[in-house]
Amino acid sequence: LAKTTQPISMDSYEGQEVNITCSHNNIATNDYITWYQQFPSQGPRFIIQGYKTKVTNEVASLFIPADRKSSTLSLPRVSLSDTAVYYCLVGVPRAGGGNKLTFGTGTQLKVEL
Amino acid sequence: DTAVSQTPKYLVTQMGNDKSIKCEQNLGHDTMYWYKQDSKKFLKIMFSYNNKELIINETVPNRFSPKSPDKAHLNLHINSLELGDSAVYFCASSQDGGGDRGDTQYFGPGTRLTVL
Repeated sequence: LAKTTQPISMDSYEGQEVNITCSHNNIATNDYITWYQQFPSQGPRFIIQGYKTKVTNEVASLFIPADRKSSTLSLPRVSLSDTAVYYCLVGVPRAGGGNKLTFGTGTQLKVEL
Repeated sequence: DTAVSQTPKYLVTQMGNDKSIKCEQNLGHDTMYWYKQDSKKFLKIMFSYNNKELIINETVPNRFSPKSPDKAHLNLHINSLELGDSAVYFCASSQDGGGDRGDTQYFGPGTRLTVL
């Protein structure tokens, strides 16, 4: 069973750009790709969502190649407060029909001074 | 004025007991979800309800029984608790129905369940 995978962890320094990739090679054709941020002892929080190409909002960019089998969350100029776990969320076709909401394995980002 | 709230925040209990977790959302959303986050931080969907109707049950043991008295509430009752049920349980809600299009979800703070 194909998983929706991400790097386990990434380290960065304040002011750098961070790119986190999620591999989702069995994504449903009609489903969006969403990224969430989770701080310790809190629920995940929406960051950005897209279907294809590039999406940008005030906190991040999301790059999606034409085949949609992966996506990359880009955080510009990270700060200490961006230290968190980042998850992608996609729909994966279910054997019995419909799509199953599937979170990626999560990436722990640690930002240092 | 918390958007999605859960009670209790912590729950410690013995194996074999029955317990409930409550969830309420004041966002006016049509769809609510339960997720389980294990010790390795993997998040898995358990259930999804749309307007009080069950639309997704992701092969969760029937010891877990969600109940939605109205579209603002989705409670989770767990019978005969087992050690493997220890996890953090998150409730979430989203505006649109269907539950399988990746609609933006708003999560509660989580309930940490520890089964001894």
